[in-house]
Amino acid sequence: DAGVIQSPRHEVTEMGQEVTLRCKPISGHNSLFWYRQTMMRGLELLIYFNNNVPIDDSGMPEDRFSAKMPNASFSTLKIQPSEPRDSAVYFCASMTGGGQPQHFGDGTRLSIL
Amino acid sequence: GENVEQHPSTLSVQEGDSAVIKCTYSDSASNYFPWYKQELGKGPQLIIDIRSNVGEKKDQRIAVTLNKTAKHFSLHITETQPEDSAVYFCAAPTSGTYKYIFGTGTRLKVLA
Repeated sequence: DAGVIQSPRHEVTEMGQEVTLRCKPISGHNSLFWYRQTMMRGLELLIYFNNNVPIDDSGMPEDRFSAKMPNASFSTLKIQPSEPRDSAVYFCASMTGGGQPQHFGDGTRLSIL
Repeated sequence: GENVEQHPSTLSVQEGDSAVIKCTYSDSASNYFPWYKQELGKGPQLIIDIRSNVGEKKDQRIAVTLNKTAKHFSLHITETQPEDSAVYFCAAPTSGTYKYIFGTGTRLKVLA
């Protein structure tokens, strides 16, 4: 049974470039979450979707960040333009519903030079 | 909203000893508490969870206890092994949403 799949695993790019992170949730899971992990701030929730609809984007740091979920099996997190302070590990997680565990992908390590 | 505090931030134990990590939460309506293990270069992986209608749950060397009155829950690892070395996170749900608030993590080192 495939878990949450994220791509790319690593991304290194220059400041100002557009970055797109991708996530394929576990089949049958109705909720999808995007997190950012840094040493200073720990694991932060950026946005989550339920049945492909964005429910809470209060964690998105600023307008440079956007997320979409065009269908139940795919989501993207986009940063445009990117800045060095966006460097972090970005995780995607999915879950079947309330009171259930979230299942995480292995993350995308993003470095903005 | 929910607030989760986790202690200690680092923990070193000798191989074979036990390790205990504690978390407190603020939302009395929370009813599900997962624990995650994160190894280097990987995402957090669920290792055990507990629901509010039980006080303790065990899975081999791992156990979780829950005290709803005091609003705290703990992870217990017995007979620790070097492969238990990782960062452990507790989490609690925010009532009325699908969001989880994660603790700040505990870096466990098991010394051989």
